[in-house]
Amino acid sequence: ELKVEQNPLFLSMQEGKNYTIYCNYSTTSDRLYWYRQDPGKSLESLFVLLSNGAVKQEGRLMASLDTKARLSTLHITAAVHDLSATYFCAVVLGGYGGATNKLIFGTGTLLAVQP
Amino acid sequence: GAGVSQTPSNKVTEKGKYVELRCDPISGHTALYWYRQSLGQGPEFLIYFQGTGAADDSGLPNDRFFAVRPEGSVSTLKIQRTERGDSAVYLCASSPTGQGPSSEAFFGQGTRLTVV
Repeated sequence: ELKVEQNPLFLSMQEGKNYTIYCNYSTTSDRLYWYRQDPGKSLESLFVLLSNGAVKQEGRLMASLDTKARLSTLHITAAVHDLSATYFCAVVLGGYGGATNKLIFGTGTLLAVQP
Repeated sequence: GAGVSQTPSNKVTEKGKYVELRCDPISGHTALYWYRQSLGQGPEFLIYFQGTGAADDSGLPNDRFFAVRPEGSVSTLKIQRTERGDSAVYLCASSPTGQGPSSEAFFGQGTRLTVV
């Protein structure tokens, strides 16, 4: 059974600081997603990582994937209040050619950026 | 439409009642997914449709839950004899295909179901 764990579950940080959210998963997968969710809203796709060593950056967020370690990181640079939200990683169970394409989500990291 | 549309946005029902939740996917998307998100948790997979057929319904918690997609577009999630534990946000997502890099799922706003 594929399990996805994130840490920390809650992160309070000051504006301007850097921090990293970690996502570990238990079995092989060929795709990993990072989503953002604002309170009462749906999921917004941030990144999709497809291969070992993949790195993607958008603004103050950078995501990377190490498939050998089954680890992805979401790095936040010089945080601003607008980044406050819950961040989820999700791993595809099924893979290319598989019968299903379902996402297994981590528990989420609630990020609160303080002025 | 421009995105995945779910109706109603909120639904309050009494314990034991029957409810239907509707999902209208992005036009042309063949794959459709239902997830359930409880408070403070990540979404949990319920069922996946490829076209009209349920390709994977392994996440449905019990036989009170059922979903259909008769014409390969709109889907309805049906819950019989609702229980308070069914209270959650039900998310629908669609993707162009079911597999491969182009199969990224786009999520709707969800239906918040409250069973009282």
